[in-house]
Amino acid sequence: EVQLVESGGGLVQPGGSLRLSCAASGFAFSSYEMNWVRQAPGKGLEWVSYISSSGSTIYYADSVRGRFTISRDNAKNSLFLQMNSLRAEDTAVYYCARSPDSGTFDYWGQGTLVTVSS
Amino acid sequence: SYEVTQPPSVSVSPGQTASITCSGDKLGNKYVCWYQQKPGQSPVLVIFQDNKRPSGIPERFSGSNSGNTATLTISGTQAMDEADYYCQAWDSSTWVFGGGTKLTVL
Repeated sequence: EVQLVESGGGLVQPGGSLRLSCAASGFAFSSYEMNWVRQAPGKGLEWVSYISSSGSTIYYADSVRGRFTISRDNAKNSLFLQMNSLRAEDTAVYYCARSPDSGTFDYWGQGTLVTVSS
Repeated sequence: SYEVTQPPSVSVSPGQTASITCSGDKLGNKYVCWYQQKPGQSPVLVIFQDNKRPSGIPERFSGSNSGNTATLTISGTQAMDEADYYCQAWDSSTWVFGGGTKLTVL
């Protein structure tokens, strides 16, 4: 069974940092592209970042480029999102999502809530 | 940047057919996915590559994509289908979601 379990969310002050993790199991993690997608409270889905299976190709949404860094450790079946210079508008549930191909998110984690507030 | 647009809400009677649209410039040239999200839950993929259903998704869910519009169709809509639905497309290394459509079954 495919499982994606996010962790690392919490309350952080504006300008602060957080590192999110996503632990993957039940599939060959190193063979899949991965993404982070977020959802602000009561709002829609917003794609945040993409990383290829090897980690050699990375993309970011304009809203986070230069502040967030996606990475992965295929030996530990883990995906990460380092978030710096956090803003109130970054408040959201952050999901990791698996991509069997570049266009599809076929499995999603349960999400981890990030709240940026003073 | 590329954008896709959905109606905020759609209503349907039980047993009837619900259609949810997703519009974008030359959207028919891109693959579209659809996700279902119920309150307090993570999104679930219901259609990928315009019209393919993942394993476990009921046959009443179908999709199409042509011109500037993709459509998610739910035939014989059931009360359990009440949820938010999001379309999603990929364009130039960017993944774009529609704003979501709240499907009400009443």
